Amino acid sequence: KQEVTQIPAALSVPEGENLVLNCSFTDSAIYNLQWFRQDPGKGLTSLLLIQSSQREQTSGRLNASLDKSSGRSTLYIAASQPGDSATYLCAVFSGSARQLTFGSGTQLTVLP
Amino acid sequence: ETGVTQTPRHLVMGMTNKKSLKCEQHLGHNAMYWYKQSAKKPLELMFVYNFKEQTENNSVPSRFSPECPNSSHLFLHLHTLQPEDSALYLCASSQDSYTEAFFGQGTRLTVV
Repeated sequence: KQEVTQIPAALSVPEGENLVLNCSFTDSAIYNLQWFRQDPGKGLTSLLLIQSSQREQTSGRLNASLDKSSGRSTLYIAASQPGDSATYLCAVFSGSARQLTFGSGTQLTVLP
Repeated sequence: ETGVTQTPRHLVMGMTNKKSLKCEQHLGHNAMYWYKQSAKKPLELMFVYNFKEQTENNSVPSRFSPECPNSSHLFLHLHTLQPEDSALYLCASSQDSYTEAFFGQGTRLTVV
């Protein structure tokens, strides 16, 4: 059974810091991994999708990496801003589960 | 505008009521999903539809009844719910079951 873990559960940083969010998964036979952002009480916004054959994807200040063999992904946020405050969710699509399996998320607060 | 629209955004219903949640996607996708998000828990997949056919039902109680009349619309019919069914219900769509998923803003359901 695929399990996805995100560490830390919560993170508070001052504005301007670079930061890394972690995601690990137990079944390395994945098709892809997706990072989402969720604001309180709102839906999920897709940030980055990494296919299993890729090592990383970049969008603006965001960079996501994937190490499938070790079952890990990181989301790097450069020069954090208060507007980045949200919960960040990692999800993997694996053949065994045949569905997206989500982590519990990392709640990020960027202090002005 | 995410391309996936959910209505209503908020719903309060009694345990004896019958109500429906609606989801519409304008992305030309073939797969649509219902997820449940409860406080402090990972997203739980409820139902999956591919080309209007239900392909997954993750042991969801029969008081939740999905309907997919066409590939652009998805409904979740609710009846005789329990207070523990109070949650954020999210709809999503993707081109295929293993491609990038896009979410709606969710319906915040409160059962009283």
